[in-house]
Amino acid sequence: KQEVTQIPAALSVPEGENLVLNCSFTDSAIYNLQWFRQDPGKGLTSLLLIQSSQREQTSGRLNASLDKSSGRSTLYIAASQPGDSATYLCAGRGDGSSNTGKLIFGQGTTLQVKP
Amino acid sequence: AAGVIQSPRHLIKEKRETATLKCYPIPRHDTVYWYQQGPGQDPQFLISFYEKMQSDKGSIPDRFSAQQFSDYHSELNMSSLELGDSALYFCASSQDRGWNTEAFFGQGTRLTVV
Repeated sequence: KQEVTQIPAALSVPEGENLVLNCSFTDSAIYNLQWFRQDPGKGLTSLLLIQSSQREQTSGRLNASLDKSSGRSTLYIAASQPGDSATYLCAGRGDGSSNTGKLIFGQGTTLQVKP
Repeated sequence: AAGVIQSPRHLIKEKRETATLKCYPIPRHDTVYWYQQGPGQDPQFLISFYEKMQSDKGSIPDRFSAQQFSDYHSELNMSSLELGDSALYFCASSQDRGWNTEAFFGQGTRLTVV
């Protein structure tokens, strides 16, 4: 059964700082891994999708990496801004026991970027 | 670009009542997932459909049922509502059960049971 863990649970940084959010998963047989952003009480916005055959994806100031062998993914945010303040969730898709493509979420990292 | 549409956005029900949540996936997406997110919790998988057939089932109470219709929209039916059912309910859609495709989420339905 796939389990996804995110560290840290919360992070507070000054504006302009580069930061890394960590995500680990137990079953390396994932199809892909997605990173999402969620503002309080709002929906989930997809940020990046890393396919199982890829090692990283970039979108603007965001860069996500995937290392299936170690069961880890990281989300790197460059030059953080107050508007980046939100909860970031990673989700692994699929595992060795299921091919239905459901996403298994980590608990999220709540980021606060201070002006 | 079309997104996943959920209705209603907010719903207030009394205990023991019934609620129906609707989800309209992105056109040409054949897979729908339902998730429940309690306060301060991560989204928990409830149930999924692929090509109108149930494809997977998670921690969904027996009081809940769901189906996907011929036009690919899906409905989550919740009966005998309990206070603990108060949560954000998300629907997501993707193509081909997610083999290297992105899942897109709707804005959610906030259900409050009083």
